[in-house]
Amino acid sequence: DAGVTQSPTHLIKTRGQQVTLRCSPKSGHDTVSWYQQALGQGPQFIFQYYEEEERQRGNFPDRFSGHQFPNYSSELNVNALLLGDSALYLCASSLGLGPDTQYFGPGTRLTVL
Amino acid sequence: SQKIEQNSEALNIQEGKTATLTCNYTNYSPAYLQWYRQDPGRGPVFLLLIRENEKEKRKERLKVTFDTTLKQSLFHITASQPADSATYLCALLKKSSGDKLTFGTGTRLAVRP
Repeated sequence: DAGVTQSPTHLIKTRGQQVTLRCSPKSGHDTVSWYQQALGQGPQFIFQYYEEEERQRGNFPDRFSGHQFPNYSSELNVNALLLGDSALYLCASSLGLGPDTQYFGPGTRLTVL
Repeated sequence: SQKIEQNSEALNIQEGKTATLTCNYTNYSPAYLQWYRQDPGRGPVFLLLIRENEKEKRKERLKVTFDTTLKQSLFHITASQPADSATYLCALLKKSSGDKLTFGTGTRLAVRP
């Protein structure tokens, strides 16, 4: 039973560029949430996707956008990268929109130079 | 504003002792509280969930308490082992469906042999 997978594992970009991160949820899960985790901090909620729609959004600018595909996989896009976007980006999957346990992927380490 | 506080200083204990980590919150009425373990460069791993109407939850060497009057949760690891060394995150969830997880900053635990 495959867990949550994310790609790529590491990424280096320069300011102003755009990046796309990918996530495949745990088998049987239909909800994907994205988090940003800066060094030494807890994960910060970016947004959540269910039934291919953004259901909730945290306090992140419109430069952060996402998408969920019919197979429940998801992408996170960040435009006009800033140095402060350097972080570990985590994807978590769960079943439905209830308070179920979220299963996290290993994350994508994004470095913006 | 809502705040979740965990000890930012690392907790260092001797193998075999009980580790106790604290999670305090303000301006929040969570229905659920979860504890996660996170190893360096990895995604958080779910450990325990406790509901607002539960005082205590146990799983093997782990015990969580939840005091909604004090707005505090305590996380205990009994008979600690060096393999328990990691960062432990608490996360809160409100009752409403689809609510996002709000994480604390985490406490690093180091168990020395």
